[in-house]
Amino acid sequence: NAGVMQNPRHLVRRRGQEARLRCSPMKGHSHVYWYRQLPEEGLKFMVYLQKENIIDESGMPKERFSAEFPKEGPSILRIQQVVRGDSAAYFCASSPQVANTEAFFGQGTRLTVV
Amino acid sequence: GESVGLHLPTLSVQEGDNSIINCAYSNSASDYFIWYKQESGKGPQFIIDIRSNMDKRQGQRVTVLLNKTVKHLSLQIAATQPGDSAVYFCAEKGAGETSGSRLTFGEGTQLTVNP
Repeated sequence: NAGVMQNPRHLVRRRGQEARLRCSPMKGHSHVYWYRQLPEEGLKFMVYLQKENIIDESGMPKERFSAEFPKEGPSILRIQQVVRGDSAAYFCASSPQVANTEAFFGQGTRLTVV
Repeated sequence: GESVGLHLPTLSVQEGDNSIINCAYSNSASDYFIWYKQESGKGPQFIIDIRSNMDKRQGQRVTVLLNKTVKHLSLQIAATQPGDSAVYFCAEKGAGETSGSRLTFGEGTQLTVNP
């Protein structure tokens, strides 16, 4: 049973480019969460999605950031016109249902903006 | 706003000793807490959890204590081993219908185990 899969593991983008981060939840999981971690800091919630729905995006910047979790395929976190401050590790977690509160994390995507 | 935070940023112990990592939380409505271990370059790994109707929960070599009166959480690791060296985060489950399993993380404690 594969865990939460994120790709790419490392991503380098120049300022102004777009970054696309992918997350495939664990098999049978329909809830996905994205978190951002700055160096030597804790994880900060960004967005919570279920299939085809954004449930809570209160932690995601209003501009340049978007997320989706289509009916088929992985969840995508998209960052447009990246800036140096976007450099961070982005983690995805999944859970099977709301009542099951333990979320399983992927290995993260480390985004570096140069 | 509500937050979860840690008392100490670093903790250094000798191999074989017991470790205690502390966490203070501010949301008295939180009903679920988790401790995660994060090794360098990896994602958070679940260690142990506890619900607000409990004061103590034990796992293999780990114990979590919850003091709701002072809103304090601690993680005790018995017979600490070099493989325990990592950053440890406490996390709080958000309340509310839309929060789902959304977690609020503390800033982390770096545990270093000296051989």
